[in-house]
Amino acid sequence: GENVEQHPSTLSVQEGDSAVIKCTYSDSASNYFPWYKQELGKGPQLIIDIRSNVGEKKDQRIAVTLNKTAKHFSLHITETQPEDSAVYFCAGTLGNTGRRALTFGSGTRLQVQP
Amino acid sequence: ETGVTQSPTHLIKTRGQQVTLRCSSQSGHNTVSWYQQALGQGPQFIFQYYREEENGRGNFPPRFSGLQFPNYSSELNVNALELDDSALYLCASSLERGPETQYFGPGTRLLVL
Repeated sequence: GENVEQHPSTLSVQEGDSAVIKCTYSDSASNYFPWYKQELGKGPQLIIDIRSNVGEKKDQRIAVTLNKTAKHFSLHITETQPEDSAVYFCAGTLGNTGRRALTFGSGTRLQVQP
Repeated sequence: ETGVTQSPTHLIKTRGQQVTLRCSSQSGHNTVSWYQQALGQGPQFIFQYYREEENGRGNFPPRFSGLQFPNYSSELNVNALELDDSALYLCASSLERGPETQYFGPGTRLLVL
């Protein structure tokens, strides 16, 4: 079926290093790809998003890249800090919901070691 | 500007019971989507409401139903609760129907015994 694959499932980095999380999707018509950060006991928080007519978007230490041909997109966090530790989810708009909703990846647990 | 709020925060029910969860959308948002998040997984789309009408549904049985009110707040109702319904239920609001730029509430943690 149509889905979003996310990897790695866990990622541990040293404070100050970069972290990269990758996602692939199956529906070539998907056109919107947000990334969410979820801390323990909280709802997902939108941190950055990208649309299919853009290849890269950056917001301070966070950037997202999109390769439509290969159907994959990535989250890049530079100069990681302990407060970046959380679970990160990628998502896309896939045809199995009429593109009315988000289909999420399975999540990446990021641990930033001080 | 008020964000998305949900109530209650936690709930314990027994199998076979019914439950109602509530959501108030972010100010100015007319679309509400509901998601179910099982432990250790990503949220799964249940359905979306736009201007008081269902605007899309995921792969959930009819015992999951919803409502949206004129002030755009929303309810999720689940009948005949099953053990597998134990999850975090998330509400997200957006400016228009469709998936774009959804803002999530803190969720309601439901435990079915």
